[in-house]
Amino acid sequence: KQEVTQIPAALSVPEGENLVLNCSFTDSAIYNLQWFRQDPGKGLTSLLLIQSSQREQTSGRLNASLDKSSGRSTLYIAASQPGDSATYLCAVRQGKAAGNKLTFGGGTRVLVKP
Amino acid sequence: ETGVTQTPRHLVMGMTNKKSLKCEQHLGHNAMYWYKQSAKKPLELMFVYSLEERVENNSVPSRFSPECPNSSHLFLHLHTLQPEDSALYLCASSQGSDNEQFFGPGTRLTVL
Repeated sequence: KQEVTQIPAALSVPEGENLVLNCSFTDSAIYNLQWFRQDPGKGLTSLLLIQSSQREQTSGRLNASLDKSSGRSTLYIAASQPGDSATYLCAVRQGKAAGNKLTFGGGTRVLVKP
Repeated sequence: ETGVTQTPRHLVMGMTNKKSLKCEQHLGHNAMYWYKQSAKKPLELMFVYSLEERVENNSVPSRFSPECPNSSHLFLHLHTLQPEDSALYLCASSQGSDNEQFFGPGTRLTVL
């Protein structure tokens, strides 16, 4: 059974500092990995999707890396801003043999202080 | 706006009530999902519909009953719920069940 863990559960940084969010998964046979952002009481917004054959994806200040063999992904957010305050979730999708199931981590709650 | 809408946004119901949650997607997708997000627990997949047929039910209690009348609409019918069913219920859609999922804003459900 796939398990996804995100550490730390919460993170507080001053504005301008770079953020590093970690995600680990137990079964390396994944199809892809997705990072989401969730604002309080709201739905999820997709940030980046990395296919299993890729090592990283970049979008603006966001960069996500994937090391499938070690079961890890890291989301980097450069030059953090107060608007980056949210909960960040990672989710791994396993292949058709596992029903294309998306398994989520518990999230990292980020606070960027002005 | 992700193209996925959910109504109502907030719902308070008693344990003997019957209510329904509605999800609508305007993205032309052919797969839809219900997720449950409880406090301090990861998102849990409840139901998956692909081409309007239910393809996955993750051992969800029968007091939750999904309905997918067409590829754009998904309902979750609720009856005889328990206080521990209080949670944020999220709907998502995708084109094919192995592609990126787009989420709605969720319905915050409180069962008294």
